[in-house]
Amino acid sequence: GAGVSQTPSNKVTEKGKYVELRCDPISGHTALYWYRQSLGQGPEFLIYFQGTGAADDSGLPNDRFFAVRPEGSVSTLKIQRTERGDSAVYLCASSLKGTTEAFFGQGTRLTVV
Amino acid sequence: AQSVAQPEDQVNVAEGNPLTVKCTYSVSGNPYLFWYVQYPNRGLQFLLKYITGDNLVKGSYGFEAEFNKSQTSFHLKKPSALVSDSALYFCAGYGNNRLAFGKGNQVVVIP
Repeated sequence: GAGVSQTPSNKVTEKGKYVELRCDPISGHTALYWYRQSLGQGPEFLIYFQGTGAADDSGLPNDRFFAVRPEGSVSTLKIQRTERGDSAVYLCASSLKGTTEAFFGQGTRLTVV
Repeated sequence: AQSVAQPEDQVNVAEGNPLTVKCTYSVSGNPYLFWYVQYPNRGLQFLLKYITGDNLVKGSYGFEAEFNKSQTSFHLKKPSALVSDSALYFCAGYGNNRLAFGKGNQVVVIP
């Protein structure tokens, strides 16, 4: 497809479980971002990739959160030992290098029960 | 660093009337400002941005925004609102390799 693709669209998991969220950016976009949007709030920055490397991971809330982008395209956000407070919509965005306009996916709604 | 504020929670407007969604910013350096719209169960869609140049920026779906340096504002406007404009609108500032979003404004256009 032409846009940013995120899978799954919805994920329900039990407290304490491990989850992976996938993002497939627009082809050719070297910059990739993860954001988290809690109910009634604006998206909050988690991590930024330029190519394969995490250029800025200062938004990750704690060491249970980790993200990879091994080949500079698809990215996976990994959450260990999930907590109910992790419930949110996780948004992925991509952009061309050197540009500021980011294109967002539809998000993954994570519910921890 | 850039931060933005959206002072209103919800904006109600009658169909056909002008729509304004307010945003103020606080930045160090030149402001890079954006508006995004979010429809239910859909991702954020880019509307417009201000980087430099004309203070009046025109964007998608008939929206425009006016950059006002003296008032540190970047209000989103549409001359005649449609029912289909009902959605959640986010103002954002770009800096340090990230967008910093406001809390969002729910716009309700009443038929």
